This record gives sequence, C-alpha cells and structure tokens, in this order.
Amino acid sequence: NAGVTQTPKFQVLKTGQSMTLQCAQDMNHEYMSWYRQDPGMGLRLIHYSVGAGITDQGEVPNGYNVSRSTTEDFPLRLLSAAPSQTSVYFCASTSGGAREAFFGQGTRLTVV
Amino acid sequence: GESVGLHLPTLSVQEGDNSIINCAYSNSASDYFIWYKQESGKGPQFIIDIRSNMDKRQGQRVTVLLNKTVKHLSLQIAATQPGDSAVYFCAESPNDYKLSFGAGTTVTVRA
Repeated sequence: NAGVTQTPKFQVLKTGQSMTLQCAQDMNHEYMSWYRQDPGMGLRLIHYSVGAGITDQGEVPNGYNVSRSTTEDFPLRLLSAAPSQTSVYFCASTSGGAREAFFGQGTRLTVV
Repeated sequence: GESVGLHLPTLSVQEGDNSIINCAYSNSASDYFIWYKQESGKGPQFIIDIRSNMDKRQGQRVTVLLNKTVKHLSLQIAATQPGDSAVYFCAESPNDYKLSFGAGTTVTVRA
C-alpha cells in the first residue's frame, strides 16, 4: 500500500499566486486532515474532514480552502499565497481516533 | 490557551543508554496522549499512545508514563539506537479527529 501520498514535494510560489496541494490515501480512512509545520513549533491543524462531503476548520484555517468529494482525496487550496504561508504541509489520515494518524511525506512550500 | 509542550528542545544520548523525553500538557479533558517520531525529511510516525485513565503503557523498547496529578507525560526509550535519532512530539487527542501537538524534542544518539 502507498499509504498517504502528497504532491508536489516542493513548490515555490510568488505572492498572490494560487495552488492546490494534493493528498490521497488508499487505506479507506474516514478522517483526513492538513497540518502545517513551522520551525520550532509543532504541527498545527489547518482543516480536517470526517468523511466525504464533510469538512471543518482547525486552528489556522485562514487563507486555505479544502473539499472532500471522495474518501481517498483531500486537496488543500491556497487562494492567494502569502510569505506567511511558507511552511511544510502534512496531510494525515486515520481510520478512527485521530491518535494513530498516518502522515504523508510533506510538501515544502516557499512563498516569495 | 491550552497546549501541549515539551520540557527540552534537545536531548543528546549515548548509544545503548535509556532516553527519557518529557512533556507537560494543560488540557486535562483529552482522552488520549500520544507520542510521534519524525525523522528528517519525513512525516511524523505514531509510536505509542496512552488513554487518560492509565498511568503506564509499554511497547517495543518504549514506555509511556502519564502523571495526571502534575499533567506530565514522558516517553522512555530503552537501549537507545542510532535509528532513534529524530524529533519526538507529544500530542493530545481531545476527540476522534483532532491532534494537538507540542513543539518537539530533537534526540541525537552519540556513537
């Protein structure tokens, strides 16, 4: 099994550009979530989904949109990139109970 | 606000010794407390969790201790190996879909 797959691995954006970070899981997990990781800080929850068609905001949702049209996919959209969104983004999925989450390899995003 | 944090940002350990990584939390309502390991360039990986009604739980070479009186969580790694070098995060799970992470402790194993 591939587990959780994130694309791209690296991305450089100019301020104001938009883009979508892709996340797919092949474990048939109900719960999926997006986190960002900044130096010296733990992971912070951006958005999460408890099933297809259901999403909700986490700690730091501003500037990001999500949708969940299928169980497998949970894309994260940056509407108008800002330098403050420079970070490493992780997608995670879990079958039940967020404590045993499976994480992707991360997307390192730089906004210039 | 409520948060999960770690006592020390770095820990250097001699190979073969036992490691103890500490974490203080403030949200007493969480059902579970969890430890994750993150190797360089990778996503976090689940190590072990403990339910809030337990004091101790053992896994393979790891033990998690929970002291609810002082809101303290620790991870003990027996016979630390070079492959244990990583950043370790404690996290709490207030419900089924959220994890709240601390800042992390970088563990370096000396040969």
